[in-house]
Amino acid sequence: SQTIHQWPATLVQPVGSPLSLECTVEGTSNPNLYWYRQAAGRGLQLLFYSVGIGQISSEVPQNLSASRPQDRQFILSSKKLLLSDSGFYLCAWSARGMDSPLHFGNGTRLTVT
Amino acid sequence: GNSVTQMEGPVTLSEEAFLTINCTYTATGYPSLFWYVQYPGEGLQLLLKATKADDKGSNKGFEATYRKETTSFHLEKGSVQVSDSAVYFCAFLSVTGRRALTFGSGTRLQVQP
Repeated sequence: SQTIHQWPATLVQPVGSPLSLECTVEGTSNPNLYWYRQAAGRGLQLLFYSVGIGQISSEVPQNLSASRPQDRQFILSSKKLLLSDSGFYLCAWSARGMDSPLHFGNGTRLTVT
Repeated sequence: GNSVTQMEGPVTLSEEAFLTINCTYTATGYPSLFWYVQYPGEGLQLLLKATKADDKGSNKGFEATYRKETTSFHLEKGSVQVSDSAVYFCAFLSVTGRRALTFGSGTRLQVQP
């Protein structure tokens, strides 16, 4: 069966520090991969999605970047965090089919202080 | 542009009450429609889906019908339980453009014993 791992579960970082959140998927190959952010009391905002190694689509201009160095690995990064980067970050994967649902990791709660 | 509109929460109900959470969408063509649920401190889980007009998705006593004429996908449950307390997200997957879910802002449901 397929599983998705996302870590760390919680993170407290000072303003201006770098960020690296990692997500890996097991039990499937060539998945679509996604990073979403959920700000406090708000819905989900799509940040990045990837249909293959090295292929990243950015949905909103921001302080973050994403990379996909391997087929089932998706990394969210920042060189210098801002206070506004605080939120709940969710990684997700889907199969390639037309109506394939998303399967989410348990999320990372990031607090920038 | 593409968007999802959900009723604002929180929705507070007594156990065994009837639940409706409204959802309407704006999208090109006929997208696939989804409801996701997020329990406290967790990531999102797929609750149900419908991929074409008049389809009814159902799971765990929840139902939603794809209404093309009103571009709606309202979530219903005949008798809610305390364990249904969570945040519910409506989402759609467009048949054109990016292959990523667009989410509503979420509706928090609180069921009291």
